[in-house]
Amino acid sequence: AQSVTQLGSHVSVSEGALVLLRCNYSSSVPPYLFWYVQYPNQGLQLLLKYTTGATLVKGINGFEAEFKKSETSFHLTKPSAHMSDAAEYFCAVSPFYSSASKIIFGSGTRLSIRP
Amino acid sequence: DVKVTQSSRYLVKRTGEKVFLECVQDMDHENMFWYRQDPGLGLRLIYFSYDVKMKEKGDIPEGYSVSREKKERFSLILESASTNQTSMYLCASSWGADEQYFGPGTRLTVT
Repeated sequence: AQSVTQLGSHVSVSEGALVLLRCNYSSSVPPYLFWYVQYPNQGLQLLLKYTTGATLVKGINGFEAEFKKSETSFHLTKPSAHMSDAAEYFCAVSPFYSSASKIIFGSGTRLSIRP
Repeated sequence: DVKVTQSSRYLVKRTGEKVFLECVQDMDHENMFWYRQDPGLGLRLIYFSYDVKMKEKGDIPEGYSVSREKKERFSLILESASTNQTSMYLCASSWGADEQYFGPGTRLTVT
C-alpha cells in the first residue's frame, strides 16, 4: 500500500525567503514521485517528477525536489519565494510498475507569501 | 502539448437532476480519472478507467457513475444530484504510471 503525508497544511514565508514544503511517502515498491501546483479555481499542474536516475529533480518556476530513499522523503524547495508562488501544492506517489496506476495524493499544503 | 478539457467551468443544478460532466483528452492516454476536491479533504478519486468501456471504483463512487465509450472521452454522471455533491470536479488522464494531466475543473453547485 502507498501513502503520502504532507507536513503542514499551511506554510507562510516572506517574499525572497526559502520555500520548503515537506512530503514523506510510504511505498512497498519503487515509486514515481510528483509535485503538483494548483492556483485558485484551476486544475493541477505538474511542477516536477522523479521516476528514476538523478535524485535531485528540477522543475518549473525555480522549484526543485530531492528524492531521499533512506528518509522516504521528497521535499520541495525554492531558494527565493515570489508572490506568484502563492498556491496549493500537492505531493503524490504512484508505483512505477503498474500500467493502470492510480496516483495517491497528499492532502495539500497551502503556500502564502508575505510581502 | 497535452490538453484535457472539461465541458463546463461552472454549473448550477437543482437537487434530483441528472448531471453529466464530460472530459476529453487529446493525447491518446489509456487512463482517465475523475476526482472531487473539497476544502480540507484534498483530492478524492471517484472513478477511473484504464481502457474503453473499462472502469474501476475509486474511493468515493457512491452516487456517481461513469461512461467511457471512446478512448478520448470520459463522462461522470450524477444520477440524482444532491446538495452534498456540490464540489469542484477534476478530470485527469495519464499513460501508465506516469504523471496525470488535469483539466481546469468544473465547479458544480447543487441547490
